[in-house]
Amino acid sequence: SQQGEEDPQALSIQEGENATMNCSYKTSINNLQWYRQNSGRGLVHLILIRSNEREKHSGRLRVTLDTSKKSSSLLITASRAADTASYFCATGPVSGNTPLVFGKGTRLSVIA
Amino acid sequence: DAGITQSPRHKVTETGTPVTLRCHQTENHRYMYWYRQDPGHGLRLIHYSYGVKDTDKGEVSDGYSVSRSKTEDFLLTLESATSSQTSVYFCATQDTDEQYFGPGTRLTVT
Repeated sequence: SQQGEEDPQALSIQEGENATMNCSYKTSINNLQWYRQNSGRGLVHLILIRSNEREKHSGRLRVTLDTSKKSSSLLITASRAADTASYFCATGPVSGNTPLVFGKGTRLSVIA
Repeated sequence: DAGITQSPRHKVTETGTPVTLRCHQTENHRYMYWYRQDPGHGLRLIHYSYGVKDTDKGEVSDGYSVSRSKTEDFLLTLESATSSQTSVYFCATQDTDEQYFGPGTRLTVT
């Protein structure tokens, strides 16, 4: 079963608005990552936040992590039509060779 | 982008036939993964490898086998394809924390 669960499943906004996507997970993690997938393509890594971090920025992306609530959020500011894609969170295990566990994703549509 | 290629990119096959998908990387990453992606199910792990000849099952491994005889190649085999295996298959590699994905293989089983 999936560890990360994104919310909402789909989001539609106007260009220039901010988009917020949330991810909840169930067990302890080493890190949480966000990926983007354009239609028909493979996933691309966006940003990683470690369990001892609370907030991280990369360009127009802002990620927060609340380990007490086992949740994370991805904020995309000043969205563009080119941001239209699916966004997935993935949780990194505490130890060993255990793979990342991906959520089902949020489909973001940015309308020009 | 990490140098990950998948072959074939598209394949149509008949029920009951064997199918092998290939993933090739040029990054010398230790970990390699095979996923399938279906509407409503997100990305599901089939098998993964943490080194040459070291593999393990994922969430949906039934009907699939894998082999990794070299660091750069990870093969996924459907011994006898079924219609439920119609999907898009992604290969990924991992060095430290993040994964790098290939372009995907669209497989249709008729």
